[in-house]
Amino acid sequence: GESVGLHLPTLSVQEGDNSIINCAYSNSASDYFIWYKQESGKGPQFIIDIRSNMDKRQGQRVTVLLNKTVKHLSLQIAATQPGDSAVYFCAENINGNQFYFGTGTSLTVIP
Amino acid sequence: ETGVTQTPRHLVMGMTNKKSLKCEQHLGHNAMYWYKQSAKKPLELMFVYNFKEQTENNSVPSRFSPECPNSSHLFLHLHTLQPEDSALYLCASSPSSYNEQFFGPGTRLTVL
Repeated sequence: GESVGLHLPTLSVQEGDNSIINCAYSNSASDYFIWYKQESGKGPQFIIDIRSNMDKRQGQRVTVLLNKTVKHLSLQIAATQPGDSAVYFCAENINGNQFYFGTGTSLTVIP
Repeated sequence: ETGVTQTPRHLVMGMTNKKSLKCEQHLGHNAMYWYKQSAKKPLELMFVYNFKEQTENNSVPSRFSPECPNSSHLFLHLHTLQPEDSALYLCASSPSSYNEQFFGPGTRLTVL
């Protein structure tokens, strides 16, 4: 089966600093990736996605980097704010089939 | 507002009860999903519906029974559940199968 995992289960950053959340995936055939944010008591919320024909994609304060060589995905959050505190997890997809989700990294922003 | 609503938000039930979870999406999507989210575990896909037809059943016990009367509504009927079924049950929808999925807020289920 698929395996999507995160390097660190928790991450604490100072407000205003940049955050980097990592994700490893096991299947080199995965061609579509999504980062989700889940706040306490809420469902996962789409942040940003990237397809395997790209190495980098930027959104508002967020950047996703994809390194297919080492099967690694990262989410960078610039100028982290208290509202960014949440669990972040990645999801991978192969050819439009089932998504496989990671367990998540809990990000805590220290004011 | 994700456009996906779920009711109830919280549910406590005994092992002999029968209850139903409801999901509604207002996004015009054609695919809907049920996921189970347990503490410290990845999201587990339970069921997938495309254009009201069930296309995936990930070896889910028969005590969970899905129903999709139309593309906008999805139900999960529960009966004779076990305490280990306690979890957050998430509904999601997408324009078509396995596009970016939009999640509802979930139903927090506790089985006593």
